[in-house]
Amino acid sequence: IQLTQSPSSLSASIGDRVTITCRASQAIATYLAWYQQKPGKAPKLLIYTASTLQSGVPSRFSGSGSGTDFTLTISSLQPEDFATYFCQHLNDFRFTFGQGTKLHIK
Amino acid sequence: QVQLVQSGAEVKKPGASVKVSCKSSGYTFIGNYIHWVRQAPGQGLEWMAWINPNSGDTKFAQKFQGRVTMTRDTSIRTAYMELSRLGSDDTAIYFCAREMVTSTTGVFDLWGHGTLVTVSS
Repeated sequence: IQLTQSPSSLSASIGDRVTITCRASQAIATYLAWYQQKPGKAPKLLIYTASTLQSGVPSRFSGSGSGTDFTLTISSLQPEDFATYFCQHLNDFRFTFGQGTKLHIK
Repeated sequence: QVQLVQSGAEVKKPGASVKVSCKSSGYTFIGNYIHWVRQAPGQGLEWMAWINPNSGDTKFAQKFQGRVTMTRDTSIRTAYMELSRLGSDDTAIYFCAREMVTSTTGVFDLWGHGTLVTVSS
C-alpha cells in the first residue's frame, strides 16, 4: 500500500485554515496517523486512527477520513505549526509513511 | 522524565557495521514495542524493524532482512539496532520510537532524538 500526500509543499499565513490530504492506494479503514516534524527534530504524533487527537496536541489540529482518503486540518495556523507533516499507515507491519508535506510561511 | 535517549553520531566506511542504542526512562521498558525508523537527508520516513522488549521477538522490513539485528538489555532498559554491510545509501538519521499500547499497531507516541549515521569512504 502506498500513501500519497498532497500538496508536497504549501505556503500559508498565520491564522489560515490549512488542509493536507493523504490518499492510500488501497482502502485502509481508519488505520492512519499524522505526525509533525520540525527541522532537526524527531517526528511528533498528532493524530491516530484517522481522527483521534493525541494527548497534549492542540485542538486546532483535526483529522478525518476513512478508506482511501484522509485529511489533516489545522483550523488557525500558529507560528509553531510551520513544519513538515507525514501520514502513516497503521496496523500493517510495513508501517508505510507518506512522502511529507512541507508547510511554509507565506 | 519519559524519554528515549539514543547514542551519538557515527561515521562508518562502506561495508562496515553500526550499532545504535536507545535507552528508555520514565516508563516500563518491557511494556511497549520499540521500532526503528530512518530518514535519509532531506527525505521521508522509512520503517525498518521492531523488537518486543519483553520477549525479544523481532520483525524486519523485507529490504533489511539479513542486514539488521535487533537486541535489547532489559536490565538497563536499552534497545539496540545493528545494521551491517553499510552502503552510502544507508546514510541517514536513525530514530527509535515507542509504540503506544492500543488496539491498533504502529502508533509511535514517543521518539528518540535520532542518531546520524554517515557512511563514507
